[in-house]
Amino acid sequence: DQQVKQNSPSLSVQEGRISILNCDYTNSMFDYFLWYKKYPAEGPTFLISISSIKDKNEDGRFTVFLNKSAKHLSLHIVPSQPGDSAVYFCAADNFNKFYFGSGTKLNVKP
Amino acid sequence: NAGVMQNPRHLVRRRGQEARLRCSPMKGHSHVYWYRQLPEEGLKFMVYLQKENIIDESGMPKERFSAEFPKEGPSILRIQQVVRGDSAAYFCASSRLGDLMNTEAFFGQGTRLTVV
Repeated sequence: DQQVKQNSPSLSVQEGRISILNCDYTNSMFDYFLWYKKYPAEGPTFLISISSIKDKNEDGRFTVFLNKSAKHLSLHIVPSQPGDSAVYFCAADNFNKFYFGSGTKLNVKP
Repeated sequence: NAGVMQNPRHLVRRRGQEARLRCSPMKGHSHVYWYRQLPEEGLKFMVYLQKENIIDESGMPKERFSAEFPKEGPSILRIQQVVRGDSAAYFCASSRLGDLMNTEAFFGQGTRLTVV
């Protein structure tokens, strides 16, 4: 039972443009969401998070939007840079247990 | 301040052997989490431990898998009588607090287990 879903396995974007990564979840009890970035042969690294009491959180080039009614969140990266090329995982926290999506591989072309 | 250290990075085991995966949390962290990533999938929660205690093992398979986090030393994930389906990347994470809404969980680089 996949409670967190990332339906786009890959995304290709031109350098300088906006990257939008999407994530859907099914459990309305989730109240804290995170995005992790992962390079090959490395562990995931924390990028940005959002609590369900907010609908937006911004950190530099990264912004996460949360639409609770639609059970949808998205990560916007602007402007995208080649170093952003990685796999991005969306996760929901439920009592110290992360439910991860299957990831979206972002390729930012120079 | 070293990050979360996992070893070995790669482990090859024959079917039926035992696999031991070690995780040393970051300094000052007493909460450890194990996740498994199968090919083309996201990370799946296995177990959450504090020193000498298993807090949540709801993601652990009922048989052959066990985990511990002793008072001294690293956390160990043990898989007995490995089968091909156990081949995966196993990631450990640690946090300073047991409240992941208010503290960051840091992941190790993972152990890639291959069962031949």
